[in-house]
Amino acid sequence: DAKTTQPNSMESNEEEPVHLPCNHSTISGTDYIHWYRQLPSQGPEYVIHGLTSNVNNRMASLAIAEDRKSSTLILHRATLRDAAVYYCILRDSNYGGSQGNLIFGKGTKLSVKP
Amino acid sequence: EAGVAQSPRYKIIEKRQSVAFWCNPISGHATLYWYQQILGQGPKLLIQFQNNGVVDDSQLPKDRFSAERLKGVDSTLKIQPAKLEDSAVYLCASRSTGVGGYTFGSGTRLTVV
Repeated sequence: DAKTTQPNSMESNEEEPVHLPCNHSTISGTDYIHWYRQLPSQGPEYVIHGLTSNVNNRMASLAIAEDRKSSTLILHRATLRDAAVYYCILRDSNYGGSQGNLIFGKGTKLSVKP
Repeated sequence: EAGVAQSPRYKIIEKRQSVAFWCNPISGHATLYWYQQILGQGPKLLIQFQNNGVVDDSQLPKDRFSAERLKGVDSTLKIQPAKLEDSAVYLCASRSTGVGGYTFGSGTRLTVV
């Protein structure tokens, strides 16, 4: 079972910021927070990940609550190409074993209006 | 770098027939995964390989599904015999060791009629 809770869907306007929330109240100290997105007819694509501190990369920013029980993926300026399903996933730091596998929930379907 | 290659892109078969999917991971990626994604759901892990050995196949329906990764590179997933509920997209992913992200292929869309 997925250990995260996300809204089923969200809408955004093009060129506006988007904040995608994720709750993970049962997160453990060794769990990293990963975000993937899946564009239509494609496989999931890595977006960003973090442990405790906020993270930025060319695609997005990840804001992690101080108690780590929730996080927010931030797209600074949404484009039509950002329309996708966004998955928030907890991944154990034991990457060598099966505990570190990606377990997907249903994710949040983001629609972007022109 | 080249991505994860999968073939075929689409496949339509009748129930009780057999089918095979092929995956070529990113060069040097030791870990390979097969996922099943039913329409409207997130991907579900079927099997994980580390080089040519199986690490986790707990979610693989072994009465009809089989997978192999000979020589620790390419992998094949087979379904025999197929059922209507096997209609889904089958995704292959690979990753290097450590904290690296997964790279997914575009998947094979299977329709069982």
